[in-house]
Amino acid sequence: QVQLVQSGAEVKKPGASVKVSCKASGYTFTNYAMHWVRQSPGQRLEWMGWINAGNGNTKYSQKFQGRVTITRDTSASTAYMELSSLRYEDTAVYYCARGPWAFDIWGQGTMVIVSS
Amino acid sequence: QSALTQPASVSGSPGQSITISCTGTSSDVGSYDLVSWYQQHPGKAPKLMIYEGSKRPSGVSNRFSGSKSGNTASLTISGLQAEDEADYYCCSYAGSSTLVFGEGTKLTVL
Repeated sequence: QVQLVQSGAEVKKPGASVKVSCKASGYTFTNYAMHWVRQSPGQRLEWMGWINAGNGNTKYSQKFQGRVTITRDTSASTAYMELSSLRYEDTAVYYCARGPWAFDIWGQGTMVIVSS
Repeated sequence: QSALTQPASVSGSPGQSITISCTGTSSDVGSYDLVSWYQQHPGKAPKLMIYEGSKRPSGVSNRFSGSKSGNTASLTISGLQAEDEADYYCCSYAGSSTLVFGEGTKLTVL
């Protein structure tokens, strides 16, 4: 079946980087966009950016521009989201979701905790 | 890009209908028929309920419907059921290949 499986929880120190993976299966990876959405504890969903899995083009939210990098490995049908210069307020669940402009398939979420 | 405006909470009794609004601007909701709605139960990933403003994905109950007027999109749930109790988020295309989510609405079934 169509699914997105994300990597496991991470604990990082302030200033570090984290890279979360999202492996797609059950569909042609390069035919769709992959978006990243985060949700801080008790807070709303926040769109971070997306990658065209076919040509690798990316677009990021202004809020995360300069700190987030989304990449993909077509041979592994996997998308990645790397967030750098982590702050305490980056503690959140990070989701990948299949696009393009509505998210019909979601990953299970990856908890990232920023703690000293 | 500011979040789209949604009521913090709405409530209704079983069998009733409720509507959740999602207000944006002429740069997002008002300019594109690309509003989607998501249902999220506690501790779970969101689930797509409506896309392109009013279309339902396969498997979503026809009790859920979407519409738009001007800069405001709406999600209506008819025949409320206990399992509809969840958080609901709207999301709109905002131009230049960007998206924006709403603030989220907590639906309580009384």
